Amino acid sequence: GAVVSQHPSRVICKSGTSVKIECRSLDFQATTMFWYRQFPKQSLMLMATSNEGSKATYEQGVEKDKFLINHASLTLSTLTVTSAHPEDSSFYICSASSGIWGSPLHFGNGTRLTVT
Amino acid sequence: DAKTTQPNSMESNEEEPVHLPCNHSTISGTDYIHWYRQLPSQGPEYVIHGLTSNVNNRMASLAIAEDRKSSTLILHRATLRDAAVYYCILAYSGGGADGLTFGKGTHLIIQP
Repeated sequence: GAVVSQHPSRVICKSGTSVKIECRSLDFQATTMFWYRQFPKQSLMLMATSNEGSKATYEQGVEKDKFLINHASLTLSTLTVTSAHPEDSSFYICSASSGIWGSPLHFGNGTRLTVT
Repeated sequence: DAKTTQPNSMESNEEEPVHLPCNHSTISGTDYIHWYRQLPSQGPEYVIHGLTSNVNNRMASLAIAEDRKSSTLILHRATLRDAAVYYCILAYSGGGADGLTFGKGTHLIIQP
């Protein structure tokens, strides 16, 4: 089946630094990628949608200047958490769509971000 | 997106079938019914999806009511590895255009 690779799986950073998370579709071209955030014991919350070559669309309440998304190719999207703070500590998950109508999304295995 | 209603948790025994219900009374004609599951500290895993007809794959079966207002995910023979949170999600176009909206899901507990 379709594979989405997310890297790193875990990262610890100091407050004020930036962290980049990569999401790659390994065996299909992802016209659209989605970024989710999940806090402990809660469900996934959609943060933003990115289409290759376009600016990302952010959900209400998500700061676009804090969570920079780049979708430069059909197989790679990156999420950069800028000037991270402890409240940004969370589980970040990407997913990718092939764009085929009715086809399911494929998810990465997530990145556990801890900001100290 | 139309909403779904699932039980918060269910418990089953290993090697027995599991029927996970989902109500979606406000489903529209173009909504696909998707099921994903999430194991602890992992991303969601696609299980199965359908539009109108029942569907089978190697992981599970999806039974869709004739009026499409409810569906049931069937795990034919549960194993301990099936313990996860199961999400029933409605998605126009399958989710490829607008992403998926996750509810709280059903926490499936499998007893050995």
